[in-house]
Amino acid sequence: DAGVTQSPTHLIKTRGQQVTLRCSPISGHKSVSWYQQVLGQGPQFIFQYYEKEERGRGNFPDRFSARQFPNYSSELNVNALLLGDSALYLCASSTADGRGGEKLFFGSGTQLSVL
Amino acid sequence: GESVGLHLPTLSVQEGDNSIINCAYSNSASDYFIWYKQESGKGPQFIIDIRSNMDKRQGQRVTVLLNKTVKHLSLQIAATQPGDSAVYFCAETYSGAGSYQLTFGKGTKLSVIP
Repeated sequence: DAGVTQSPTHLIKTRGQQVTLRCSPISGHKSVSWYQQVLGQGPQFIFQYYEKEERGRGNFPDRFSARQFPNYSSELNVNALLLGDSALYLCASSTADGRGGEKLFFGSGTQLSVL
Repeated sequence: GESVGLHLPTLSVQEGDNSIINCAYSNSASDYFIWYKQESGKGPQFIIDIRSNMDKRQGQRVTVLLNKTVKHLSLQIAATQPGDSAVYFCAETYSGAGSYQLTFGKGTKLSVIP
């Protein structure tokens, strides 16, 4: 079975641009989460979606938005990019009903560089 | 790919020795914990999990210990191999929060000396 897949793997943007990252969860998983990992740190929670509804949002500005589609895939959008948005963006999926306490599986991430 | 281990605490062990990686967690209400392994250029890989009603859980070559009194987790890797070289993160969550949010620890870089 395929794991969590993310695209693209690498992306280079300039300040002020907008970016869309894509994620397909493991088959059968209905919950998708997004995390940001800055170099040298652990991942930080951005969003969680379950059954197309936002279940949780981390401490990120409104420039960050996401959505989940009927097939449970998800997109993360970041507007007005800043240099500090350069990071590895990770998508994770689980069978959880949104309340947690289940294994969370991560994709390989999208490495975003903002110049 | 870029290294995720930049500026992280490092543990160096000889191949074949046992490794112990420690983690202090922050929320006394957390009731589910996961250890992840992250290799350079890859996403975190699930290793083992434990719920707060347990104090020990064993997997293949790995054991996780949980001490809720002092909010401490440890990951023990038996007979450490070169392929175990990576950054290891502990993560915690509280299932009563209404959403599934993992809070990650700082991470420890494990280097295995052949």
